Amino acid sequence: QKEVEQNSGPLSVPEGAIASLNCTYSDRGSQSFFWYRQYSGKSPELIMFIYSNGDKEDGRFTAQLNKASQYVSLLIRDSQPSDSATYLCAVRALRSSASKIIFGSGTRLSIRP
Amino acid sequence: GAVVSQHPSRVICKSGTSVKIECRSLDFQATTMFWYRQFPKQSLMLMATSNEGSKATYEQGVEKDKFLINHASLTLSTLTVTSAHPEDSSFYICSAVRDRGTDTQYFGPGTRLTVL
Repeated sequence: QKEVEQNSGPLSVPEGAIASLNCTYSDRGSQSFFWYRQYSGKSPELIMFIYSNGDKEDGRFTAQLNKASQYVSLLIRDSQPSDSATYLCAVRALRSSASKIIFGSGTRLSIRP
Repeated sequence: GAVVSQHPSRVICKSGTSVKIECRSLDFQATTMFWYRQFPKQSLMLMATSNEGSKATYEQGVEKDKFLINHASLTLSTLTVTSAHPEDSSFYICSAVRDRGTDTQYFGPGTRLTVL
């Protein structure tokens, strides 16, 4: 079992709709959870992090964390073509060395006009 | 805040030469930086953890004598690819930790290395 799992996609969503990206992790002691966006040929950029159960909203983005079920999701409201990218889920596991986070392989999101 | 720079952004070199890549945190101090490598259409692969004032910690399978890491100050880490070969051609990305409480990593723009 991979430590951090994501559906590779591509996930195709019509413009203006809600895009839902999911991620599961194996280490129940994981502490911090991150979503990064990576455009083709560019480096990842942080969208948001979450470390408490529940929802965290930032503009059109909402991260949801459920530690009991060991999943974290990212919702993108009012999807725009510029949201088309690969979204990386990352987890700071309890047993990891200081500050090290584990990345999923990413989900490719395509917003169709 | 949380700006990380890398230099150079792109480098082309001949096989057998060494290439140095710099990673700087511009507006914060980073005791920990990371070096990743990414091949086309693949995910990030962590190469090593760079700690200021101490030796880097390398991931399994990464040759420490080939990928030399130096973290001489709280704002600068360097990665030197020694005796580069075409198979070392890749996208090298560094990140720096700003907030130790959440271990949030901020990425540099990356360096695309092509070895001829």
